[in-house]
Amino acid sequence: AQSVTQLGSHVSVSEGALVLLRCNYSSSVPPYLFWYVQYPNQGLQLLLKYTTGATLVKGINGFEAEFKKSETSFHLTKPSAHMSDAAEYFCAVSFLYSGGGADGLTFGKGTHLIIQP
Amino acid sequence: SQTIHQWPATLVQPVGSPLSLECTVEGTSNPNLYWYRQAAGRGLQLLFYSVGIGQISSEVPQNLSASRPQDRQFILSSKKLLLSDSGFYLCAWSAPWGRESDEQYFGPGTRLTVT
Repeated sequence: AQSVTQLGSHVSVSEGALVLLRCNYSSSVPPYLFWYVQYPNQGLQLLLKYTTGATLVKGINGFEAEFKKSETSFHLTKPSAHMSDAAEYFCAVSFLYSGGGADGLTFGKGTHLIIQP
Repeated sequence: SQTIHQWPATLVQPVGSPLSLECTVEGTSNPNLYWYRQAAGRGLQLLFYSVGIGQISSEVPQNLSASRPQDRQFILSSKKLLLSDSGFYLCAWSAPWGRESDEQYFGPGTRLTVT
């Protein structure tokens, strides 16, 4: 069974500081990994994803994440936080069954990112 | 381009009343469709997914049901709402299997409050 663990339900950083949001997963087969962002009372927007290939993935709004198979991690980073980055961030995992069709994403519980001025 | 719509945006319903939430997708055909529920402090939970008309898979047993009467329409229903049904409901779609079906696109959500 798949699972996703996000360390820290709330993370607070100062504007201009490094953002690091942690995500660890468990999966019985090679995973697809995602980070989504959710602003208040809105749907989720994809930040970035890892499927295959390069393990360092760059996304929108200056975010990036690195897939580390040995650590089963997919941490999200941004060198310099901006006030507009304040939101809820979700890590998710999925994989495609060899028989076809697509399963839903398994989400972590989310991390609320707070940006201090 | 593809768009996904959900309505209503907000809904307040009494316990025991029925529910119908609708989701439609434009600009694509034969999408995979999903219903998620987001409860406070609990992340997102997959409720149902569908790979085609009339094909529904349920992930969590509950008093909710889903239907897909048309290719790009996905409906979430309940005959009698419970207080525990309150939450933020999100619909999502992905391309059919074999074409980047790993990426899901989310609608704006419906905030349901059961009183």
